[in-house]
Amino acid sequence: AQSVAQPEDQVNVAEGNPLTVKCTYSVSGNPYLFWYVQYPNRGLQFLLKYITGDNLVKGSYGFEAEFNKSQTSFHLKKPSALVSDSALYFCAVREQGANNLFFGTGTRLTVIP
Amino acid sequence: NAGVTQTPKFQVLKTGQSMTLQCAQDMNHNSMYWYRQDPGMGLRLIYYSASEGTTDKGEVPNGYNVSRLNKREFSLRLESAAPSQTSVYFCASRATSGGTDTQYFGPGTRLTVL
Repeated sequence: AQSVAQPEDQVNVAEGNPLTVKCTYSVSGNPYLFWYVQYPNRGLQFLLKYITGDNLVKGSYGFEAEFNKSQTSFHLKKPSALVSDSALYFCAVREQGANNLFFGTGTRLTVIP
Repeated sequence: NAGVTQTPKFQVLKTGQSMTLQCAQDMNHNSMYWYRQDPGMGLRLIYYSASEGTTDKGEVPNGYNVSRLNKREFSLRLESAAPSQTSVYFCASRATSGGTDTQYFGPGTRLTVL
């Protein structure tokens, strides 16, 4: 069975500080991992993904994520937060060969000016 | 290139009414999906279509039906709406070849069932 956990419902960070949004996953086989962002009253926008290769993945808007197989984690990071990064962030996993994405419950990021 | 489009954007129904949510994509993707988003529960898959002519149940299919009309269009039907179906509905599509393996989402339909 596939599952994703985002242990923090809410993350607050000061503008200019580094941010981390946590995600852990569970799959039987090789994972394909994704981060999406949702702004108010909008659909989900793709940020980045890990399929294979380098464990550090770089994505849109200066975000990056590190795949850690031993800890089954895929935390989202950004060196310097912007107020405009305030949004709802979703981690998702698909097992290699499967058709469906499984989403975490989301983490609301608030960047404080 | 509009990506994934959904209609309507908003809808209010009374219990027992029926309606169809429309979704279309212009990216020539094989797979299409319907999700619902509820507070604190993330996105849950209702139905998906791996390719034209096929549909499969997801995590929460009860009370819904789908039609993959052609490669571009995938509709979701509520035959007899219930208040528990009040939610935001998202359609998505994905290419299953070419290595992109990324789902792209529509803007959503906000449905309220009274």
